Amino acid sequence: DAGVTQSPTHLIKTRGQQVTLRCSPKSGHDTVSWYQQALGQGPQFIFQYYEEEERQRGNFPDRFSGHQFPNYSSELNVNALLLGDSALYLCASSFNTGGNYGYTFGSGTRLTVV
Amino acid sequence: DAKTTQPNSMESNEEEPVHLPCNHSTISGTDYIHWYRQLPSQGPEYVIHGLTSNVNNRMASLAIAEDRKSSTLILHRATLRDAAVYYCILRDVGWLSGGSNYKLTFGKGTLLTVNP
Repeated sequence: DAGVTQSPTHLIKTRGQQVTLRCSPKSGHDTVSWYQQALGQGPQFIFQYYEEEERQRGNFPDRFSGHQFPNYSSELNVNALLLGDSALYLCASSFNTGGNYGYTFGSGTRLTVV
Repeated sequence: DAKTTQPNSMESNEEEPVHLPCNHSTISGTDYIHWYRQLPSQGPEYVIHGLTSNVNNRMASLAIAEDRKSSTLILHRATLRDAAVYYCILRDVGWLSGGSNYKLTFGKGTLLTVNP
């Protein structure tokens, strides 16, 4: 049973460019969340998608946007990249069952902005 | 979000038990206690969760204080593969309006070092 799959694994972009990261959730999961993890810090919540709609959003600017497709996969888009956007971007999937269930995380996409 | 407090780091020897503490004095009645760990170069991995009673699974045990203001993750026999950052997280049991799950709010966690 495949877990959460993220692509690409590594990416180097230039300041000002745009980037799209992709996530396939664990089989049977319907909710996808995205997190940003800076070096030495815990992951920070960006947003969560359920039923193809953004349901929750963390403290991130509008440059960060996303999408969920009918097959539950998801994309994270970041426009006008800044050097500070360099981080590990994690995708997590879950059943929409409230707090009595764990999230499954992917291994992340390492984004470097130069 | 309800906050948790964990030591920055802990050290253990291989094959010995490890007790990782977490304080959550502002926990509400609808908060589950979740533990995740993150091995180097990987995403966080779910370890265990509980509400009021102690919980056991193949990875670890979770001991929850009677007043729920603290909890302890117990690794019964640490191995080198258990070296990771361990996160204690409070997560509401319910759903948000609109039908989505509550997010996970991570702190800095506890860096566990296991010595051979």
